[in-house]
Amino acid sequence: GENVGLHLPTLSVQEGDNSIINCAYSNSASDYFIWYKQESGKGPQFIIDIRSNMDKRQGQRVTVLLNKTVKHLSLQIAATQPGDSAVYFCAENPGYGGSQGNLIFGKGTKLSVKP
Amino acid sequence: SQTIHQWPATLVQPVGSPLSLECTVEGTSNPNLYWYRQAAGRGLQLLFYSVGIGQISSEVPQNLSASRPQDRQFILSSKKLLLSDSGFYLCAWSVRYSNQPQHFGDGTRLSIL
Repeated sequence: GENVGLHLPTLSVQEGDNSIINCAYSNSASDYFIWYKQESGKGPQFIIDIRSNMDKRQGQRVTVLLNKTVKHLSLQIAATQPGDSAVYFCAENPGYGGSQGNLIFGKGTKLSVKP
Repeated sequence: SQTIHQWPATLVQPVGSPLSLECTVEGTSNPNLYWYRQAAGRGLQLLFYSVGIGQISSEVPQNLSASRPQDRQFILSSKKLLLSDSGFYLCAWSVRYSNQPQHFGDGTRLSIL
């Protein structure tokens, strides 16, 4: 994985504010993107996904934006809560085809919510 | 609903000892299965993936191996552990087609002494 060996950037926000976590991807052929949340000592948890034929998708308090022109993905969290504190990873399917479904994971961003 | 189980949750092993971590999936058939390693405060490194029984692909050369003896069982092994094998090991599954999310277990924290 290309993110191995790199330390995590940190985003600190006030409780109740909106959070925006960004991710740049490198493969223009990628056709599927996912955001994961990982709490300390646990496995990553699926939050939301988006396919390349869309540029926005909304879930409960979360929105994912995809800009294929600049190969940029963002996760917006509305009214951030202390329980949102975690490390957030983006992942892309590089479009290799076939059945293996491999994903490439981003570096991860640590979100800290101040009360 | 589908569930994924990993065990043990934590493991402390001496250098040179063998390793066997097990992962099982319930509630689905013919899943893709994956093993990842995550160093402290860092991202996910794919170690192995499998698209079927006995089919293992290795992403990174190392002293670890993987096996899939049953459709929903994935095992990570080593004959002799190294200090550098310490880390957080995660198993994941996905539906066997692209454009599907991977779903992760809660991991095994492995410490080598």
